[in-house]
Amino acid sequence: GIQVEQSPPDLILQEGANSTLRCNFSDSVNNLQWFHQNPWGQLINLFYIPSGTKQNGRLSATTVATERYSLLYISSSQTTDSGVYFCAVERKGGGSNYKLTFGKGTLLTVNP
Amino acid sequence: KAGVTQTPRYLIKTRGQQVTLSCSPISGHRSVSWYQQTPGQGLQFLFEYFSETQRNKGNFPGRFSGRQFSNSRSEMNVSTLELGDSALYLCASSLDGSTIYFGEGSWLTVV
Repeated sequence: GIQVEQSPPDLILQEGANSTLRCNFSDSVNNLQWFHQNPWGQLINLFYIPSGTKQNGRLSATTVATERYSLLYISSSQTTDSGVYFCAVERKGGGSNYKLTFGKGTLLTVNP
Repeated sequence: KAGVTQTPRYLIKTRGQQVTLSCSPISGHRSVSWYQQTPGQGLQFLFEYFSETQRNKGNFPGRFSGRQFSNSRSEMNVSTLELGDSALYLCASSLDGSTIYFGEGSWLTVV
């Protein structure tokens, strides 16, 4: 199956700092999503971004499908940004867009 | 509009018992999928249903099963529970496979 690698595994920031999270995947994809898992376990969808660039407030994401990676940018981080960030993909030709393979996540801690 | 709703949120079961978890998708979403999250294996796909048909299945033993009803609500069942089944079980729904929305999950502890 498709492999998804996220880096770094852990990241500690001071409030106000910027950060970049990376997701590498081993095959062509037709679906790529970034999620934030809050301390209560819920996965919040941040971006659906199989290619291109999107921005939503302090967060933005870029996927370079031809080079098989995606980046999630967090600017002016806040303590509420803490949590685990997951990248999830669906392999192109995998039959549907509904079966996601997740990376192991990046644990982000933002200190006040 | 209401999000994905999962019940129960927390439950404790004994080895050998069975458990049924319920999921109500976002109104209008016909696809419902289930994932298991454990510290060791991370997030793993269990199965996906669309219009009452299972379309995709992950690599889990037959003890894990599910179904979807005509109103798109879904249930998953785990029989003959093992300690290793302790996990957060997440349900997700999607309208068209692009953006997938997750519920808050059901925390299962097997003792």
